[in-house]
Amino acid sequence: AQTVTQSQPEMSVQEAETVTLSCTYDTSESNYYLFWYKQPPSRQMILVIRQEAYKQQNATENRFSVNFQKAAKSFSLKISDSQLGDTAMYFCAFMTDTGTASKLTFGTGTRLQVTL
Amino acid sequence: ETGVTQSPTHLIKTRGQQVTLRCSSQSGHNTVSWYQQALGQGPQFIFQYYREEENGRGNFPPRFSGLQFPNYSSELNVNALELDDSALYLCASSSFRGYGYTFGSGTRLTVV
Repeated sequence: AQTVTQSQPEMSVQEAETVTLSCTYDTSESNYYLFWYKQPPSRQMILVIRQEAYKQQNATENRFSVNFQKAAKSFSLKISDSQLGDTAMYFCAFMTDTGTASKLTFGTGTRLQVTL
Repeated sequence: ETGVTQSPTHLIKTRGQQVTLRCSSQSGHNTVSWYQQALGQGPQFIFQYYREEENGRGNFPPRFSGLQFPNYSSELNVNALELDDSALYLCASSSFRGYGYTFGSGTRLTVV
């Protein structure tokens, strides 16, 4: 079974600064997908960024980028130029590329607070 | 395009009762999944439907059941409610697994 670990329960960053959220996972598969989701107080999970395991190039989406280290099974999220609206819970998630069900396995989340 | 909508937003039920939660998937999405998110935890996979058939299930008892309709909307039914069923229930839809899922805002269920 796959597991996802987020070792930072809470983090704080000042506006305009850069912050990195950590995520490690465990799997025996070679093809899979990794995601970062953001959950603000409105409760809706919002997809921030996605990475396909067979692609070595790290994904980027505007101010968000990942550092994907497949051998180390690490998938960290870097947020540049942090904004107050980035305040939220951030969840790392894994999805297998095999089998019939495309379920997401989530970590326990990191609560990010962006301050003035 | 419309996103994923869930109803109701909040619900209070008594232990032993039954509840039905509803979800309208995003246009063009044929796969819908349901997740349970306990307070302070990450979402846990309940089950998934693809073209009206359940094609995956997490570690949840049979009293958690579902349906998917021809228009790809879905229902989650929970029988014999227990206090531990109190959680946020999230519905998510997708057209292709690699794209990830689009989530709704969830239904907050409280069992008393």
